[in-house]
Amino acid sequence: AQSVTQLDSQVPVFEEAPVELRCNYSSSVSVYLFWYVQYPNQGLQLLLKYLSGSTLVKGINGFEAEFNKSQTSFHLRKPSVHISDTAEYFCALSSSNTGKLIFGQGTTLQVKP
Amino acid sequence: DGGITQSPKYLFRKEGQNVTLSCEQNLNHDAMYWYRQDPGQGLRLIYYSQIVNDFQKGDIAEGYSVSREKKESFPLTVTSAQKNPTAFYLCASSPQGATNTEAFFGQGTRLTVV
Repeated sequence: AQSVTQLDSQVPVFEEAPVELRCNYSSSVSVYLFWYVQYPNQGLQLLLKYLSGSTLVKGINGFEAEFNKSQTSFHLRKPSVHISDTAEYFCALSSSNTGKLIFGQGTTLQVKP
Repeated sequence: DGGITQSPKYLFRKEGQNVTLSCEQNLNHDAMYWYRQDPGQGLRLIYYSQIVNDFQKGDIAEGYSVSREKKESFPLTVTSAQKNPTAFYLCASSPQGATNTEAFFGQGTRLTVV
């Protein structure tokens, strides 16, 4: 079975500090990996995705993520956060053999002034 | 504008009633999904459909039903068999079954049992 685990439920950080949101996955087949962001009472929007090729993926709003196959991880990073980055972040995977999109439990990023 | 629309935004249901949540997309996407979101549990897949007139159960299908009679529509019915229906429901669509493409989400419907 496939699964996604986000290791931190909440991450508090001060404005302009760097942040890393951790994501590990489990799958016996090749997967595609995604990070989504959700602002309160809204749907999700895509931050970035890894399909193949370079393991360092850059997304919107200054976020990037690194795919590590040996550690089955896809951690999200930003070198300097803003108050406006306060939101919930979801890691997700999909694979061609199932057609399903599976999400982690989410990490709430709280940026403090 | 192209997009995915969920309605209503807020819905109140009395215990024992069935309610139907609407999801419409004009993106010409083949695949559509329904997720339930509860605090601390992320998004859990209820049902998904990769093509018209076909759908599969997700991880928490009990107490829910769907139909996919048209490509652009994927309504979700929350039946009286669903014991704890209060949650935020999200609908999504993707062009090729979400294998290597992003999913597009609606703004969600918040269902409350009163």
